[in-house]
This record gives sequence, structure tokens and C-alpha cells, in this order.
Amino acid sequence: AQTVTQSQPEMSVQEAETVTLSCTYDTSESNYYLFWYKQPPSRQMILVIRQEAYKQQNATENRFSVNFQKAAKSFSLKISDSQLGDTAMYFCAFMKLNTPLVFGKGTRLSVIA
Amino acid sequence: EPEVTQTPSHQVTQMGQEVILRCVPISNHLYFYWYRQILGQKVEFLVSFYNNEISEKSEIFDDQFSVERPDGSNFTLKIRSTKLEDSAMYFCASSPRQGYQPQHFGDGTRLSIL
Repeated sequence: AQTVTQSQPEMSVQEAETVTLSCTYDTSESNYYLFWYKQPPSRQMILVIRQEAYKQQNATENRFSVNFQKAAKSFSLKISDSQLGDTAMYFCAFMKLNTPLVFGKGTRLSVIA
Repeated sequence: EPEVTQTPSHQVTQMGQEVILRCVPISNHLYFYWYRQILGQKVEFLVSFYNNEISEKSEIFDDQFSVERPDGSNFTLKIRSTKLEDSAMYFCASSPRQGYQPQHFGDGTRLSIL
């Protein structure tokens, strides 16, 4: 079974600074997707970014980017120019073909003014 | 942008009572999911549904749980006899097809069992 590990339960960052959230996963599959979801205090689950395992190029979405290291099974999220609205729980998630999402335990990020 | 809609946002129920959580997936989506998040813990998969039948379910999804798509728009999760440990946030999600499609989540229903 696939597992997703987020080793940082909590992190904090100053507004306008950059922060990196870590995620590792375990799988024997070669084709899969990885996702970062954001869960603000309102408890919604919002897709932040996704990465296809067959693509070597790291995904980017505005201030959010990933560092995908397939051999190391690592998928970190970098948030640049952090904003107060980035304060949330961030979940890393794994999906192989035709299966549900498998989530990590999450990292609680606090952006400090 | 189309959204997944869940009702109610908060449900309070006495232990042993039946509860139905409702979801309206995005209209052209074909695959539907329920996930659960106990307070402070990670999101866990419950069940997936396609073509009017369950396609996969987790160990959590025991005989107390059932899902149904009673009409062309709603997707429901029923818990027959609620227990204290069923208290959690329940998320509905949908995707247009399986494969590598991101699942779109609703805002969740907070279920509190007293």
C-alpha cells in the first residue's frame, strides 16, 4: 500500500518570505500523480498544485512550486512571497491510476505578519 | 467555476440515530468519493462510486455505511446507527473520469455525535 509522510507537523514563516514543506511517499508504481491540497481554517480542501510522475519538469502555479525528486520519492512544496492568506493546513496526496487519494498527516503553516 | 456542494454544513445527531449527508457533484463528473477527517487527523478515503455502484471501499466503510445516487444530481452517504467515533468532517469529491484527474472537493459536513 502507498504511504505519504509529512515530517513537519507545524511550520511558521514571516510574511513575504519563502517556505518549503516536505513530503515523501512510498510506492512501487512508476506512473502516478502527486498533489498538494490546502485546508484553511474554514476546512475546505483546495487543490494547490499537481505533478505527473512521468514529467521531469517541476510544476509551478504562481507563487507555488514543487521540487519533485522521483528517485528519492520526494515531493516538496515551495511557497514564495508568503501571504497571510496562506495560513492553512497543507496536505500532500498521492494517487495511482484508478485509485482514491492517499493523504499525508498534514503540515500546519502559520504566516506571521 | 463549478463546485461540489455539500449539505448540511454542520449536523448534530444523537448516538444511535441515522444520518444522511448530501452532496451535489459537479454536473459532468462521473466519479464520486467520500472521505472522512477526524479532528486533527489526516483525510481518509471511505468509498468511491461509479456507474451507480461502489467501485472501491476502505476498511472504515463497514455495514453501517451506505451510499446512493438517488437521482441525476445528488450523491448521499448514510450512516445507519451513528457512534461517537463517527464524529468527523466528511468530504465529498468528484472527478470527470478516473485516471489522473484531480478530485474536486466540497466544503465538507461537520458531523457531531452526542
